[in-house]
Amino acid sequence: GQQLNQSPQSMFIQEGEDVSMNCTSSSIFNTWLWYKQDPGEGPVLLIALYKAGELTSNGRLTAQFGITRKDSFLNISASIPSDVGIYFCAGQRGGGADGLTFGKGTHLIIQP
Amino acid sequence: GAGVSQSPSNKVTEKGKDVELRCDPISGHTALYWYRQSLGQGLEFLIYFQGNSAPDKSGLPSDRFSAERTGGSVSTLTIQRTQQEDSAVYLCASSLAPAGRSAQGELFFGEGSRLTVL
Repeated sequence: GQQLNQSPQSMFIQEGEDVSMNCTSSSIFNTWLWYKQDPGEGPVLLIALYKAGELTSNGRLTAQFGITRKDSFLNISASIPSDVGIYFCAGQRGGGADGLTFGKGTHLIIQP
Repeated sequence: GAGVSQSPSNKVTEKGKDVELRCDPISGHTALYWYRQSLGQGLEFLIYFQGNSAPDKSGLPSDRFSAERTGGSVSTLTIQRTQQEDSAVYLCASSLAPAGRSAQGELFFGEGSRLTVL
């Protein structure tokens, strides 16, 4: 099946630092999504991107849909303790579950 | 309820037993998905229901896995003769419309059912 390469696998940062993570694919996607999963919870949608080149912000989060449609990045500015969790990217080719692929996640850990 | 509801939240079973996991999607959502999340791994697609169409079962790992969706609402994922490698968190998600190019395709996840097979 489709593969999304998400990196880094984990990040250890200090509170207040900026964070950047990305996903790449060998295939084109029509939509990119970024989810966050807290321990014991299901993933929650953070940002959805529908157009190549689109740059979207949600508070301290900014995500971009790569112009080639094969990549996306998520930035978090001025990290705070509640940003801890696992961040997943997901790409959609079209309608239905066959067009939806998730990355393996980036585990964000904030050191005091 | 307002969100996707899954039960049980935790299930411990013995190898060889059958288990049933339940998902109650958001009211009005036509699409329902089951995913499996193993420790440290991403989300592995299992099965997808859309309205009255035949489900997409292409992600089911073996014939021990099956799922039903009755009345276009509640879904049950059944694992027969459980094995230790079935231990994982099983996540259900629903969306207003098929995943695609609009916000109506955005998935809303439940909290998952954690299955431990001893």
